[in-house]
Amino acid sequence: ILNVEQSPQSLHVQEGDSTNFTCSFPSSNFYALHWYRWETAKSPEALFVMTLNGDEKKKGQISATLNTKEGYSYLYIKGSQPEDSATYLCATNSGYALNFGKGTSLLVTP
Amino acid sequence: ETGVTQTPRHLVMGMTNKKSLKCEQHLGHNAMYWYKQSAKKPLELMFVYNFKEQTENNSVPSRFSPECPNSSHLFLHLHTLQPEDSALYLCASSQGTAGDTQYFGPGTRLTVL
Repeated sequence: ILNVEQSPQSLHVQEGDSTNFTCSFPSSNFYALHWYRWETAKSPEALFVMTLNGDEKKKGQISATLNTKEGYSYLYIKGSQPEDSATYLCATNSGYALNFGKGTSLLVTP
Repeated sequence: ETGVTQTPRHLVMGMTNKKSLKCEQHLGHNAMYWYKQSAKKPLELMFVYNFKEQTENNSVPSRFSPECPNSSHLFLHLHTLQPEDSALYLCASSQGTAGDTQYFGPGTRLTVL
């Protein structure tokens, strides 16, 4: 994998459903993995930064895991709510800069 | 609110115009960034400033000219842009160490006619 890749590209779930997304990245020269939540017309909001293989982070009903050896991270949302509708971005560090994936667009309908 | 503000939020300009985008951070950070998001593409780094010094230029055309007068302010001066430069331009800041969380502004939606 040369770039940061995210799947699926978009997702439509019902309120209360749990869901997860995948972020794949080059495992060589890994430094840190970032997850952001981006609502339309707002600033991207930082969710998690993870650096160590096996890291797990949780914020409310959202959690993330990291596997640096195989180059992937999962983001989980338990019991999705309409207000969780947003684009979820992951990024890795290249020096100071962040290399972003294209994001997963989540729509949660009541 | 992330503590990073950008003005204007929307800008329409002709190819012969000169305009500037402004970013201000109120977080006491030392590093500031310009990113660009074109349609159907990921966010792409343009420039990095650390302690007012430019540390990265991601092969950006010279019609985009950044300026960082102090650690709290970042400008992007635009001149003779092309229609394909129409995009969302996002500013971000971080404490100043690689791997730090970057805090983003809401962006400027630029349309070049």
